[in-house]
Amino acid sequence: NAGVMQNPRHLVRRRGQEARLRCSPMKGHSHVYWYRQLPEEGLKFMVYLQKENIIDESGMPKERFSAEFPKEGPSILRIQQVVRGDSAAYFCASSPGQNNEKLFFGSGTQLSVL
Amino acid sequence: AQSVTQLGSHVSVSEGALVLLRCNYSSSVPPYLFWYVQYPNQGLQLLLKYTSAATLVKGINGFEAEFKKSETSFHLTKPSAHMSDAAEYFCAVSSGTTGKSTFGDGTTLTVKP
Repeated sequence: NAGVMQNPRHLVRRRGQEARLRCSPMKGHSHVYWYRQLPEEGLKFMVYLQKENIIDESGMPKERFSAEFPKEGPSILRIQQVVRGDSAAYFCASSPGQNNEKLFFGSGTQLSVL
Repeated sequence: AQSVTQLGSHVSVSEGALVLLRCNYSSSVPPYLFWYVQYPNQGLQLLLKYTSAATLVKGINGFEAEFKKSETSFHLTKPSAHMSDAAEYFCAVSSGTTGKSTFGDGTTLTVKP
């Protein structure tokens, strides 16, 4: 299966811990997007990355959240000092180019903060 | 700036009945419009997309949507609902210059036997 792979599927953290969410885009895709889905809400854009570059982080909270997409390896969404309000489903999507019309989504990581 | 409004967070239809899920958008540039479906514990799957070609767009699983610029709408329809259509449906808008999309809050479709 050459789809977008996210891991872990479920992640449980206690308040104050760090959460690391991983996303491997589809083969041949160099553009990655992270979205957050809160209960009963739609997806909210967080950040758009290309290899080694953050293109648009207008949806990222100013503190505790960071994202990277290194030259080698998966994209990482990192949340430091998690709080209960960070509990959500985090989805990664990829596309082959910038001007692409369609996103391919992973199955998401469900983050639960105790 | 772009935004999407999905009218009705929950829609319930009988099996075999018409499905109509409403979506209105706002965009300062010619929009690209999408409908996605999300099954429980899964990511989103693209149903169909409008990218300035034909205004009536046919998608997978018998769904279609019509772009109406005058009404700024992109409603999703299916003539006859199946039980397997029960899921959450999201309308999204993009400028097309990047893959960044703005999503509506979703409509949960329930299909009754």
